Amino acid sequence: AQSVAQPEDQVNVAEGNPLTVKCTYSVSGNPYLFWYVQYPNRGLQFLLKYITGDNLVKGSYGFEAEFNKSQTSFHLKKPSALVSDSALYFCAVYSSASKIIFGSGTRLSIRP
Amino acid sequence: KAGVTQTPRYLIKTRGQQVTLSCSPISGHRSVSWYQQTPGQGLQFLFEYFSETQRNKGNFPGRFSGRQFSNSRSEMNVSTLELGDSALYLCASSLTLDRGRTEAFFGQGTRLTVV
Repeated sequence: AQSVAQPEDQVNVAEGNPLTVKCTYSVSGNPYLFWYVQYPNRGLQFLLKYITGDNLVKGSYGFEAEFNKSQTSFHLKKPSALVSDSALYFCAVYSSASKIIFGSGTRLSIRP
Repeated sequence: KAGVTQTPRYLIKTRGQQVTLSCSPISGHRSVSWYQQTPGQGLQFLFEYFSETQRNKGNFPGRFSGRQFSNSRSEMNVSTLELGDSALYLCASSLTLDRGRTEAFFGQGTRLTVV
């Protein structure tokens, strides 16, 4: 069965510091991986995706994610956090059953 | 271009009633998916439609149903509402079924409260 896990319910970071939101996956075949962000009372917004190619993927709002095949991970990163980055972040994997499977979400809190 | 539009934004229903939620995808998108988001279960896939046909279905009871019209607009219906159906229902549209190559764009959701 294909799945994605976000081991941290919450991540707290000081503004200006680097941030990492972790994601690991389990899929058969080549994975298609995504990160989405959700602000309060809003739908999900697409941040970035990995299909193939460079292991470092750059996305919206200065975010990037590193695909690591050996560790089956796709961690979301940002060099310098902003208070406005505080939101709920979802990692997702595209399965062969033509549906997206989402992780449980990680709440990112950036303190001034 | 306009994004994914979901109506209504908020809804309060009584147990036992039924409800219909609507989703208008981005113009030109033919795939529409529905998700249920709750604090306890996270985001769970309900079903996906493409060209008026249901292409995939999640693990939800038959009380949850949907359809897609020729203009790609989609509706989902929940009959005999239960308290546990209270959730944010999200609709996502995509250009094609190949979700690996065409990302899904989400609407703001419909917050359903069952009392």
